[in-house]
Amino acid sequence: SQTIHQWPATLVQPVGSPLSLECTVEGTSNPNLYWYRQAAGRGLQLLFYSVGIGQISSEVPQNLSASRPQDRQFILSSKKLLLSDSGFYLCAWSRQGAGANVLTFGAGSRLTVL
Amino acid sequence: DAKTTQPPSMDCAEGRAANLPCNHSTISGNEYVYWYRQIHSQGPQYIIHGLKNNETNEMASLIITEDRKSSTLILPHATLRDTAVYYCIVRVQHNNNDMRFGAGTRLTVKP
Repeated sequence: SQTIHQWPATLVQPVGSPLSLECTVEGTSNPNLYWYRQAAGRGLQLLFYSVGIGQISSEVPQNLSASRPQDRQFILSSKKLLLSDSGFYLCAWSRQGAGANVLTFGAGSRLTVL
Repeated sequence: DAKTTQPPSMDCAEGRAANLPCNHSTISGNEYVYWYRQIHSQGPQYIIHGLKNNETNEMASLIITEDRKSSTLILPHATLRDTAVYYCIVRVQHNNNDMRFGAGTRLTVKP
């Protein structure tokens, strides 16, 4: 069976510090991978998606970046965090092809920037 | 992706059926209707999807009108744990690209 792991679960970072959130998927190959963010009381915002190694599409221009160094690994990074980066970050995966619209989400990473 | 319209909020009594509507009047012939829900502080969870026939699984039933311009997600016996935001999304099946969630319907199941 397939599993998705996301960490850390929670973190508190000062403004201007770097960020690295990691997501890995097990039990499948060549998945589509997604990063979403949800600010407090707000909807889900798609940040990045990837259909393959090194292939990253960015949805919102911002100080965040994503990388996919391996087939089942997706990393969200920032060099300098802003207060507005606080939120609930969710990684998700889906199959390619007919299953592309059935997303499975990780447990999420709650980021507080102070 | 075709645009969808959902009511912002609904209430349902515990044990009764919850019927969540979704309007997708501009749906094209190869677009499917997908439903997800998001319980507070968790990631969204896939529920069900369909093209034109009604679908049922262990979580819910999906009723799609004959003209496919609207659909209804039915939770047959709502429990307090079904309180969540429910999202209706319309997409072609093999779309490997961006998957966007709208505002959804906030369903509150009351005792």
